[in-house]
Amino acid sequence: GESVGLHLPTLSVQEGDNSIINCAYSNSASDYFIWYKQESGKGPQFIIDIRSNMDKRQGQRVTVLLNKTVKHLSLQIAATQPGDSAVYFCAENIRGYSTLTFGKGTMLLVSP
Amino acid sequence: DTEVTQTPKHLVMGMTNKKSLKCEQHMGHRAMYWYKQKAKKPPELMFVYSYEKLSINESVPSRFSPECPNSSLLNLHLHALQPEDSALYLCASSREGLNSYNEQFFGPGTRLTVL
Repeated sequence: GESVGLHLPTLSVQEGDNSIINCAYSNSASDYFIWYKQESGKGPQFIIDIRSNMDKRQGQRVTVLLNKTVKHLSLQIAATQPGDSAVYFCAENIRGYSTLTFGKGTMLLVSP
Repeated sequence: DTEVTQTPKHLVMGMTNKKSLKCEQHMGHRAMYWYKQKAKKPPELMFVYSYEKLSINESVPSRFSPECPNSSLLNLHLHALQPEDSALYLCASSREGLNSYNEQFFGPGTRLTVL
């Protein structure tokens, strides 16, 4: 089975709300994680990454949290905007493999 | 130049045709990737070139043939494809070769339809 999965296939929020997208992974050897955003008809766009020696990393309006104890990753988007509507994928790098394995994806729908 | 470009954007081909997908990056990246993405699914890795050498082939059928003419270019040659090969084909690149932590930058993809 897949090593990386998401709890919610679709997340609907109102503009201005904070969004939280979750991702579970099962391989304890995963040591690098990336969140990608993919808009319709486009390739995945890098949002933020985190290494396993960290538990939190912040970017512009986004925060990634990593809980290695329960093998859980989340992406928080502050003040969600309609332009944030897209499918969000988490991806993991398993130590020693050097390639990314993508999770199933969550569609974020932002209503004005 | 900070992007990965892919041509063509769309491609329709018959099962007996031979066609090629092209990918280009001028960021000096040393690893380049081909992914296949079906609708509403995550990208699936097909091939990885690291320092212009094929490093990973994820058991892809031989009707897909990758080529890396130089460090900036990556091709995917297609021959005798099946309708189930219809998908979005994504190219990506990363700064370092394998065995390093660095994000992959994706191109916009080629939407392939096999009739």
